Amino acid sequence: KQEVTQIPAALSVPEGENLVLNCSFTDSAIYNLQWFRQDPGKGLTSLLLIQSSQREQTSGRLNASLDKSSGRSTLYIAASQPGDSATYLCAVPMNTGFQKLVFGTGTRLLVSP
Amino acid sequence: GAVVSQHPSRVICKSGTSVKIECRSLDFQATTMFWYRQFPKQSLMLMATSNEGSKATYEQGVEKDKFLINHASLTLSTLTVTSAHPEDSSFYICSARADLGGYEQYFGPGTRLTVT
Repeated sequence: KQEVTQIPAALSVPEGENLVLNCSFTDSAIYNLQWFRQDPGKGLTSLLLIQSSQREQTSGRLNASLDKSSGRSTLYIAASQPGDSATYLCAVPMNTGFQKLVFGTGTRLLVSP
Repeated sequence: GAVVSQHPSRVICKSGTSVKIECRSLDFQATTMFWYRQFPKQSLMLMATSNEGSKATYEQGVEKDKFLINHASLTLSTLTVTSAHPEDSSFYICSARADLGGYEQYFGPGTRLTVT
């Protein structure tokens, strides 16, 4: 059974810092891995999707890496801003026909001005 | 980018009534959509998988007669909470899995249901 965990559970940093969020999964036979952000009371916004054949993806100040063999992914946020404050979730699809997502436990990020 | 809408965004209903929530993929087709509920400060809990043209697949512990799901087209899935009770009050979120590309999932903005 796939299990996804995220470390740290919460993170508070001053504006401008570079930071790393970690995601680990127990079954390395994944199809892809997605990173999302969720603002309070809102739905999820897809940030990056990494296919199993890729090692990293970049979008603006965000960079996500994937190491399937070790069951790890990291989300790197450069030059953090207060607007980055949110809960960040990683998720991998189950190896079934519907590919239901298995979510990590989330990292609550607070970037203070 | 791909957009998923949900309607309504908020709904308040009386105990015993039914409420329908719509989930639409606006600019892509989605044979498969998912319905989640989320309690405050908790992660998303998958309720069911909705497939166009066939019956939904419910997760263990989710009452299929209480949470009716219909996926009538490649862009629309609906969740009907029947005979709602206060314990059904929650944040309901849908997602749509794109039929093309890397099967990325896109999430709707959520529907806040309050049952009084």
